[in-house]
Amino acid sequence: DAGITQSPRYKITETGRQVTLMCHQTWSHSYMFWYRQDLGHGLRLIYYSAAADITDKGEVPDGYVVSRSKTENFPLTLESATRSQTSVYFCASSDWNSPLHFGNGTRLTVT
Amino acid sequence: SQQGEEDPQALSIQEGENATMNCSYKTSINNLQWYRQNSGRGLVHLILIRSNEREKHSGRLRVTLDTSKKSSSLLITASRAADTASYFCATDYRNQGGKLIFGQGTELSVKP
Repeated sequence: DAGITQSPRYKITETGRQVTLMCHQTWSHSYMFWYRQDLGHGLRLIYYSAAADITDKGEVPDGYVVSRSKTENFPLTLESATRSQTSVYFCASSDWNSPLHFGNGTRLTVT
Repeated sequence: SQQGEEDPQALSIQEGENATMNCSYKTSINNLQWYRQNSGRGLVHLILIRSNEREKHSGRLRVTLDTSKKSSSLLITASRAADTASYFCATDYRNQGGKLIFGQGTELSVKP
């Protein structure tokens, strides 16, 4: 089915552990984005990618790493998770000058 | 920061009334987008308005864009209880090699 899929939907991890959130889209959109959503902050951009092998920092990139070796995948890695990274993470994709298509989100809890 | 501002942060109205939400931004944009989010769910795209457009309609939704004032508004006419949600604007700065940035949102409550 065409769409954008995030996995896992829910994740609990411990402080200091590495965790990777996955994002896969089937539209071949050039742009992909990672946002986090916390109460009182709306959505904040972590990283984005304009094409395969091209990534750039967003508003809150510290503590996160991304890669985009294939157009359809855009994983987000927390290298050493901290409690402040407890959040809901949304992946999105779009073409140029077009709306975003969002995944259903990953709810991450860091204990 | 390129983050835009939305106001009001919260809005409570009765069914049948109109709801207006505003979004301001800071530099030239490629387009401005409005999204809706029901509690605990993902975001759904409502309207995209390009920088050379001034007004767009979709059903009961009307969006305006004033590039001279760097502001946009979303009007929901004849609101319904089902319109209760959070509404976000997103400013697209990708024409400047920039980013797509969301505002903090307006929480709309429509009482039956």
